[in-house]
Amino acid sequence: QVQLQESGPGLVKPSETLSLTCTVSGDSISNRRYYWVWIRQPPGKGLEWIASMYYSGSTYYNPSLKSRVTISVDTSKNQFSLRLSSVTAADTAVYYCAKQITGTTLDYFDYWGQGTLVTVSS
Amino acid sequence: DIVMTQSPDSLAVSLGERATVNCKSSQNVLYNSNNQSYLAWYQQRPGQPPKLLIYWASTRKSGVPDRFSGSGSGTDFTLTISSLQAEDVAVYYCQQYYGAPYTFGPGTKLEIK
Repeated sequence: QVQLQESGPGLVKPSETLSLTCTVSGDSISNRRYYWVWIRQPPGKGLEWIASMYYSGSTYYNPSLKSRVTISVDTSKNQFSLRLSSVTAADTAVYYCAKQITGTTLDYFDYWGQGTLVTVSS
Repeated sequence: DIVMTQSPDSLAVSLGERATVNCKSSQNVLYNSNNQSYLAWYQQRPGQPPKLLIYWASTRKSGVPDRFSGSGSGTDFTLTISSLQAEDVAVYYCQQYYGAPYTFGPGTKLEIK
């Protein structure tokens, strides 16, 4: 069974860049059946999809965040990463990494990490 | 973007009773080519990440108790818990994966009456 674990700073200053890494265990990040995903949830609020990435580099971004988001994959470490630039308090959230099933289309998110709270504050 | 709405916002049900959560999409999420609705349901217990319960609108993920069932097609969907257990206290989200950006409903909070 795959496991995902987020890591990174829990506090980021306004206007700086948020950087998180997701370490995947129990399966290969190069598995052609999966995309790798970032999703966030502001405290007490709902879920927002950020981006999905294939091991080869194919990427889909949420247009609302696209100008500030970069995701990348490191197959040698079985990790993928998120960078969100120019953060504000509105970016304070629990950030989840997840696995997305793909066949002929990108489908549902079947496994999620535990999440990491990132607070944007000076 | 496809907007997902859910009703009710919150729900209190007695143990052993049926709970029903509704979800509506602003656009049809049924692919005619495979006759599948691109709709999933997730359970989020307090302090936990979301957990996939149902995909393709009605397919239960392996290991999910059979008291959970999904139904619906096109734009209108329902999650039913046939006999509420204490561990089912959670927020339930529907989500469309018909197309990016993938969007979630606002959630329905389920409590014990």
